[in-house]
Amino acid sequence: EVQLVESGGGLVQPGGSLRLSCTASGYTFSSFSMTWVRQAPGKGLEWVSAISGIGTTTYYADSVKGRFTISRDNSKNILYLQMKSLRAEDTAIYHCARDLDWFDPWGQGTLVTVSP
Amino acid sequence: DIQMTQSPSTLSASVGDRVSITCRASQSISISLAWYQQKPGKVPKLLIYKASSLKSGVPSRFSGSGSATEFTLTITSLQPDDSATYYCQQFKSYPYAFGQGTTLEIK
Repeated sequence: EVQLVESGGGLVQPGGSLRLSCTASGYTFSSFSMTWVRQAPGKGLEWVSAISGIGTTTYYADSVKGRFTISRDNSKNILYLQMKSLRAEDTAIYHCARDLDWFDPWGQGTLVTVSP
Repeated sequence: DIQMTQSPSTLSASVGDRVSITCRASQSISISLAWYQQKPGKVPKLLIYKASSLKSGVPSRFSGSGSATEFTLTITSLQPDDSATYYCQQFKSYPYAFGQGTTLEIK
């Protein structure tokens, strides 16, 4: 069974940094692209970033470009999202997902709260 | 960037009804479209990919159609368990984008 488990969320002050992790199991991690999607409280889904299977190609939403960095460690089956210069509007649940162009499955998510 | 617009934003229907949700793309995306279902407090689940391909295990009451800029998610014989928010997503080009969501209420 494919499983994705996020971690690393928490409360951070505006301007601060945080690194999210997503640990994958149940499939050959390096064979698939991965993506991060976030959902602000009470709001819709927002695609954030994606990375190719071997990690050489990355994509970002304009809202996070220059502040967030996606990466992966295929030896450990872990996806990362390094977030810097965090803003209140980055407050959301962050989900990782296996990226087949469509997203399946999704992890349960980790909550990031940016607040003084 | 490609923008996705769903209509309606909310929808109310009865058990046994047939409902349709529309998703429009700001430019042609061929059939590069997926549909997801999200229940309150739960993780989004893939229903349909490539506009009309039903994910294995998803009830056949769900179907997708369309191409280019206009797409439809149709649910027949509505069940109480179908109460959820539905999102479309384009994967024609980055940045990928979701529609704003359609909340379906079962009366």
